[in-house]
Amino acid sequence: SQTIHQWPATLVQPVGSPLSLECTVEGTSNPNLYWYRQAAGRGLQLLFYSVGIGQISSEVPQNLSASRPQDRQFILSSKKLLLSDSGFYLCAWSAGRTGSYEQYFGPGTRLTVT
Amino acid sequence: GDSVTQMEGPVTLSEEAFLTINCTYTATGYPSLFWYVQYPGEGLQLLLKATKADDKGSNKGFEATYRKETTSFHLEKGSVQVSDSAVYFCARRSGAGSYQLTFGKGTKLSVIP
Repeated sequence: SQTIHQWPATLVQPVGSPLSLECTVEGTSNPNLYWYRQAAGRGLQLLFYSVGIGQISSEVPQNLSASRPQDRQFILSSKKLLLSDSGFYLCAWSAGRTGSYEQYFGPGTRLTVT
Repeated sequence: GDSVTQMEGPVTLSEEAFLTINCTYTATGYPSLFWYVQYPGEGLQLLLKATKADDKGSNKGFEATYRKETTSFHLEKGSVQVSDSAVYFCARRSGAGSYQLTFGKGTKLSVIP
């Protein structure tokens, strides 16, 4: 069966510090991968998605970036965090080229920028 | 563009009450439709789905029927439990050829004993 991991689970970082969040998927090949952000009490905002190694599409211009160095690894980064980057970050995967396109989410990373 | 509109809540119900959370979508083609549930501090879990008109998705006592004529996918449960307290998100495939999902803003459900 497929599983998705995210780490760390929680993170407290000062403004201006760098960020690296990691997501890995097991039990599937060539997944589509997604990064979402969820601000407190609000809905989901798609940040990045990837349909293959090295292929990243950005949905929202900001000081975050994403990379996919391996087929089942997706990394969210920032060189300098802002207070507004605080939130709950969710990674998700979906199987490419299937009929229903459902996405499966990881447990999330709670980021607090102080 | 493609969008999903769901009742914002919060919704507070007593245990064993009937639940309906309304969801409508923009009628661009016949997208796959989904309901997700998010328990406090966790990621989203796929609750149920429907891929074509008149399909009924069901899971854990929850049901939703794909209504093409009303472009709706309302979530229902006959008897809610305290453990159903969570945020529920309706979603649709974003468009033909897209791998993305468009989510509603979520509805927070609180069930009191």
